[in-house]
Amino acid sequence: DAGITQSPRHKVTETGTPVTLRCHQTENHRYMYWYRQDPGHGLRLIHYSYGVKDTDKGEVSDGYSVSRSKTEDFLLTLESATSSQTSVYFCAISDSGLGGLAKNIQYFGAGTRLSVL
Amino acid sequence: AQKVTQAQTEISVVEKEDVTLDCVYETRDTTYYLFWYKQPPSGELVFLIRRNSFDEQNEISGRYSWNFQKSTSSFNFTITASQVVDSAVYFCAPPNLFFGTGTRLTVIP
Repeated sequence: DAGITQSPRHKVTETGTPVTLRCHQTENHRYMYWYRQDPGHGLRLIHYSYGVKDTDKGEVSDGYSVSRSKTEDFLLTLESATSSQTSVYFCAISDSGLGGLAKNIQYFGAGTRLSVL
Repeated sequence: AQKVTQAQTEISVVEKEDVTLDCVYETRDTTYYLFWYKQPPSGELVFLIRRNSFDEQNEISGRYSWNFQKSTSSFNFTITASQVVDSAVYFCAPPNLFFGTGTRLTVIP
């Protein structure tokens, strides 16, 4: 199994509080991604990173920020959590980047279930 | 714009039946890879199979087979002799970009 650890695995928080989710990898993969999974929507890309301090927005980036200060860590922050951000969050890693003939497999963490009350 | 469509929301089959999952990928790209991932009830996402767009020949890997029809941009993924352990949500995805909404497969013993 790919070495990807997400923490925490479960979190309950209140509306308006900041929340940070962590993704840690031991594979030295260049690309890291944060997705959210909601019923009826599949997985939607929030942000991704293509190297240390190099990040970009995905399909549903509003209300989220990310940071990558080391190859192995990719942090997702909800500055002020809202109930619409209740979801399951998955981190993924890959050797190659986006689109076209990129053919490397994505490996996923176990997910973080976040509830915003 | 690129779009992935998995029109089958839920499928139920009886064990040992064959089942085909459909995925249509609309894109202006002419060459690309498409991926299938499986999410069993335990929740983890696992890579299953990768297929390119420039080879229409069927591929077979164990009980899985894979067919691409260029004329319709349709990727069909078939599980032969389904088993209860195949019960999961199956996602179709272009490389590292976005996912289809998934097809929930239930295999009834």
